[in-house]
Amino acid sequence: ILNVEQSPQSLHVQEGDSTNFTCSFPSSNFYALHWYRWETAKSPEALFVMTLNGDEKKKGRISATLNTKEGYSYLYIKGSQPEDSATYLCALKTGANNLFFGTGTRLTVIP
Amino acid sequence: SQTIHQWPATLVQPVGSPLSLECTVEGTSNPNLYWYRQAAGRGLQLLFYSVGIGQISSEVPQNLSASRPQDRQFILSSKKLLLSDSGFYLCAWSPSSTGGGGYTFGSGTRLTVV
Repeated sequence: ILNVEQSPQSLHVQEGDSTNFTCSFPSSNFYALHWYRWETAKSPEALFVMTLNGDEKKKGRISATLNTKEGYSYLYIKGSQPEDSATYLCALKTGANNLFFGTGTRLTVIP
Repeated sequence: SQTIHQWPATLVQPVGSPLSLECTVEGTSNPNLYWYRQAAGRGLQLLFYSVGIGQISSEVPQNLSASRPQDRQFILSSKKLLLSDSGFYLCAWSPSSTGGGGYTFGSGTRLTVV
């Protein structure tokens, strides 16, 4: 079982603020890095899958970067909205079927 | 389009009772299937995965077992539940190709063992 760490554990921001979270992981045996958004009472939803060092992906106001050499990924949210409130999970894939999740960052956006 | 169904949504079971959670996928063939558990205060932990009918891999030793009797059906079972089996169980699927797409999760089952 690999150690995938996310920080901060929880975060409160005002509506309109931009924010970012960190996911760190062991850089050996890297296959892919996933980000998911998990809203209360719903299923985790895939945001990004990144495989190459230096990858940057964007979906609306949310973007992510990946550094496989140093073992970290950042998730950015620009202009946070109340509907962005959720737990954001990162997960490291080390093989075809091994996806190891961090404990998540719980974001609360205050209107 | 592909959909994943998981039931029941909540379950309260006494210690020592059996367990059966079911997950089915529609709209795809030969998916990779997964069972995850989130215990209180912890992240999602992979319990089992399956790449085909009858093929089950276990990631952690535990009181649970899994079976895949049909291509798009994945079942999580226990003969005798323990208090430590309480948690939130999620089924997920991904394409069988090694392209590495994101997982699609079911709606989850909250199991409380009393």
